[in-house]
Amino acid sequence: DGGITQSPKYLFRKEGQNVTLSCEQNLNHDAMYWYRQDPGQGLRLIYYSQIVNDFQKGDIAEGYSVSREKKESFPLTVTSAQKNPTAFYLCASSIGDRYEQYFGPGTRLTVT
Amino acid sequence: GQQVMQIPQYQHVQEGEDFTTYCNSSTTLSNIQWYKQRPGGHPVFLIQLVKSGEVKKQKRLTFQFGEAKKNSSLHITATQTTDVGTYFCTYNQGGKLIFGQGTELSVKP
Repeated sequence: DGGITQSPKYLFRKEGQNVTLSCEQNLNHDAMYWYRQDPGQGLRLIYYSQIVNDFQKGDIAEGYSVSREKKESFPLTVTSAQKNPTAFYLCASSIGDRYEQYFGPGTRLTVT
Repeated sequence: GQQVMQIPQYQHVQEGEDFTTYCNSSTTLSNIQWYKQRPGGHPVFLIQLVKSGEVKKQKRLTFQFGEAKKNSSLHITATQTTDVGTYFCTYNQGGKLIFGQGTELSVKP
């Protein structure tokens, strides 16, 4: 059963804590992406990776970090430096940057 | 930077009515993709348009790419309650997708 998985679906954290969101894909895609979506808004790109061991900042990378040690995995860490971390986080993957993206089910992070 | 503007932001229709959302850019786009996101769900790819003046159909959905490749539209004929959701246009820029703000469609049965 191929696809992208994100866990957990809902996550609650206290302010000041770092938290890591999981994203795994078994589609053999080279490119992976992290987006943030706020209520009633479009998607904003946080980080993306076109190949293992390489990644680039998106439009709103401040307060976030990523790693791409394996082709299948692209975890996102929301650090305590992120001013407004409460949001819906979506991970996606694609064959390459000119192809359609496949999205995971998302993680809703609430920080209080 | 380059942006795409989507209009309208919201559209409420009676089931059976048609619906159109528009995506406009100030500069020429190499391609455009459309995604649908159901309430509480994740975006799902619908289609990619690449050629000037291209028109593609998927059942009741018709997608167009303008002659100047600066605008695109998605038209749904005879909407159904299953069409509810937010429709996004996006384009590729330097290895990343830039999303429009989306048009949220609600359908009254």
